[in-house]
Amino acid sequence: DTEVTQTPKHLVMGMTNKKSLKCEQHMGHRAMYWYKQKAKKPPELMFVYSYEKLSINESVPSRFSPECPNSSLLNLHLHALQPEDSALYLCASSQDRGSNEKLFFGSGTQLSVL
Amino acid sequence: RKEVEQDPGPFNVPEGATVAFNCTYSNSASQSFFWYRQDCRKEPKLLMSVYSSGNEDGRFTAQLNRASQYISLLIRDSKLSDSATYLCVVSSISSGSARQLTFGSGTQLTVLP
Repeated sequence: DTEVTQTPKHLVMGMTNKKSLKCEQHMGHRAMYWYKQKAKKPPELMFVYSYEKLSINESVPSRFSPECPNSSLLNLHLHALQPEDSALYLCASSQDRGSNEKLFFGSGTQLSVL
Repeated sequence: RKEVEQDPGPFNVPEGATVAFNCTYSNSASQSFFWYRQDCRKEPKLLMSVYSSGNEDGRFTAQLNRASQYISLLIRDSKLSDSATYLCVVSSISSGSARQLTFGSGTQLTVLP
């Protein structure tokens, strides 16, 4: 069982909807990540939070908005998405971004944009 | 050239076979190396880290060749449950001092009964 919990597991939304993906970890990890994964492709990094501060934004469109309310929680707010945004969205955490960067992934949210 | 390259496969092998995957990386300053395993429609899970001296975990052996910039994963006595996609992951220093992980595109393995 993963120690990184993501909700919801599945999400279908229209292009005008606003929704949020949630991620939680209680391992005391100080780095948290959002990845996007299309079928038969590797995960692509979207955002990295380190010690609750956004440290990397991989030129992600503004219709994706991350939020880190505290060291255990990471949200991804979605607004006005496009059908090509349909993918598996994976949250991950690591102890930190220094020498202990082994990633622990949540089970993901399978997102479909209609 | 991709930063991390893997043979996509698929590798279809019979149960009990030995199979090896290779991965090459382009950044000679890369510092840490990992193999992850991803089952269909599931999240990636860390299989093993790769150390300079090579390391073994049961039926799995990982090797690192820094001079040639490649990493390998050997699976002995393949089991049906080994069927998955194996992702090579390389850690490098990005802008500033932050480390960044780069994923290979994955190698698909199917172990046949």
